[in-house]
Amino acid sequence: AQKITQTQPGMFVQEKEAVTLDCTYDTSDQSYGLFWYKQPSSGEMIFLIYQGSYDEQNATEGRYSLNFQKARKSANLVISASQLGDSAMYFCAMSDVSGGYNKLIFGAGTRLAVHP
Amino acid sequence: SAVISQKPSRDICQRGTSLTIQCQVDSQVTMMFWYRQQPGQSLTLIATANQGSEATYESGFVIDKFPISRPNLTFSTLTVSNMSPEDSSIYLCSARDRGLPGYTFGSGTRLTVV
Repeated sequence: AQKITQTQPGMFVQEKEAVTLDCTYDTSDQSYGLFWYKQPSSGEMIFLIYQGSYDEQNATEGRYSLNFQKARKSANLVISASQLGDSAMYFCAMSDVSGGYNKLIFGAGTRLAVHP
Repeated sequence: SAVISQKPSRDICQRGTSLTIQCQVDSQVTMMFWYRQQPGQSLTLIATANQGSEATYESGFVIDKFPISRPNLTFSTLTVSNMSPEDSSIYLCSARDRGLPGYTFGSGTRLTVV
């Protein structure tokens, strides 16, 4: 079965510094997608970045980049120049096609606190 | 990408009653998903809803407790039946979208059962 692991329950970072949130995954599929979402205290899920398993380049979206190491099955999120508004829960997710439906499964999440 | 309107945004309900959550998508989507997020936890998939067919439930979730309707390609409802305090959670709907982000989420329903 596919699985997403986020081993950092909480992380702290100083404003304007970079932070890396860890994500490892387990799948026997050759084709899959990896996603990162941000969930502020309001509860909405905000899409940040996507990496396809066949993408050779690491994905980047503004201050977000995804450090994709396929052999290690890791997809770490790097946030550069942290801002106070980055304080939130961050979830790593993977598309799962088992059962015939292309659904998302989520890791446990990492709570990021940005300090001034 | 698709935009999903989810309502209600929050509710406080008495135990033993039922609540129906609605999600309206601004474009036609094939697959919709319903998730539960218990306090301090991650998102757990309840079921996948395709238009015109029965919803597919994940292990641990049953239709009698969480009946789902999908009458067309832009709308779905989830009912939380015979509620108990353990059902207090955030419920989120999601749609499989073309292009990125690929999966769009509603704003969530924060349910408290007293």
